[in-house]
Amino acid sequence: GENVEQHPSTLSVQEGDSAVIKCTYSDSASNYFPWYKQELGKRPQLIIDIRSNVGEKKDQRIAVTLNKTAKHFSLHITETQPEDSAVYFCAAKAPWGGGYNKLIFGAGTRLAVHP
Amino acid sequence: EAGVAQSPRYKIIEKRQSVAFWCNPISGHATLYWYQQILGQGPKLLIQFQNNGVVDDSQLPKDRFSAERLKGVDSTLKIQPAKLEDSAVYLCASRLSGGLETQYFGPGTRLLVL
Repeated sequence: GENVEQHPSTLSVQEGDSAVIKCTYSDSASNYFPWYKQELGKRPQLIIDIRSNVGEKKDQRIAVTLNKTAKHFSLHITETQPEDSAVYFCAAKAPWGGGYNKLIFGAGTRLAVHP
Repeated sequence: EAGVAQSPRYKIIEKRQSVAFWCNPISGHATLYWYQQILGQGPKLLIQFQNNGVVDDSQLPKDRFSAERLKGVDSTLKIQPAKLEDSAVYLCASRLSGGLETQYFGPGTRLLVL
């Protein structure tokens, strides 16, 4: 079945620097890739997503890129701010099996932005 | 728009006891998911409902876990009997369906089994 690996597990940056988180997936048929941000003790919230027919998507300071050939996608955060500190999860939608719209999540990246 | 609601927010029980969690999805959302999130890991799907029918329960430990969504709206997830390794956050999520992909998560129920 689908497997999603996420790196790094922790990331520490200075305020204003960029942060990049990378994920790889195993099922070449996967076609939807969301990114969720989870602050301590709070619910995961969707921050950006991308479909397999698009190579890049931007929303203000965040962007996601997708390389279908290599089966990896990345989250880019520019001009990081302390409020970006959280755990970020990538996910891939597995189109197979009895369930549709089934998301497989990576293990998460804990991002710390230091003032 | 009100978000996904869950209760209780926290629960502490002893092993072999029973526990139940409740979820109220966003109004109109046909698809409902229950995830288990163990500390330091990403959410893992336990069961998925489409309206009141089960679409996928392949990762639900059916010897101890059960879930229902009788009227296609609220859902309950039950563990009976609980084990130490069930300590986790149980997240409920809902999706509008009809080709719209976004899953909206509730705040979760943090379960500690002693």
